[in-house]
Amino acid sequence: DAGITQSPRHKVTETGTPVTLRCHQTENHRYMYWYRQDPGHGLRLIHYSYGVKDTDKGEVSDGYSVSRSKTEDFLLTLESATSSQTSVYFCAIKKTGDTEAFFGQGTRLTVV
Amino acid sequence: GENVEQHPSTLSVQEGDSAVIKCTYSDSASNYFPWYKQELGKGPQLIIDIRSNVGEKKDQRIAVTLNKTAKHFSLHITETQPEDSAVYFCAATFRMDSNYQLIWGAGTKLIIKP
Repeated sequence: DAGITQSPRHKVTETGTPVTLRCHQTENHRYMYWYRQDPGHGLRLIHYSYGVKDTDKGEVSDGYSVSRSKTEDFLLTLESATSSQTSVYFCAIKKTGDTEAFFGQGTRLTVV
Repeated sequence: GENVEQHPSTLSVQEGDSAVIKCTYSDSASNYFPWYKQELGKGPQLIIDIRSNVGEKKDQRIAVTLNKTAKHFSLHITETQPEDSAVYFCAATFRMDSNYQLIWGAGTKLIIKP
């Protein structure tokens, strides 16, 4: 494994509640990404970070926010979860100058 | 917007036969095309990639071909084995603001029949 830990691995939450997913890396890589994976859609980028406090939106960022206060941690927050946010969420990291992304094991989130 | 189309969505082949998965992309500026393999319960893992200045790349039983004119690229797996069973994703780079990001195909579930 590339030193990425996602937590929690599974979560069930109610509509309207806030949820935070955590991605922790031990590699000191600059780039970190949050994707969601849904059947028929592959991986879709939610937000990414290119350094501490440096983040930007991906293609499906509505309803999500992120924070990166330390190199090793990238948090994804759903301010008010909706059923459409039921998905498997993957964190990925990438070293500057490299092309390969390393993925965590995913977090399965169910919004009921 | 830019997109990557991947076919087929499911592919079932006999062990020992070859498997081919195809992707087309829309952004003519795309210049990097990775393939990732995702096993059940795990995150995707890079298996092979190709850049736009190369037409083909091989790594043991796996090869990738790229046709820039037609904007499509393919993954070829020869002498398939049970451990090749997984979901395979193609991707292509596209420019988002000042950075390049990957846009992903929808995935192909490869089933190797014993």
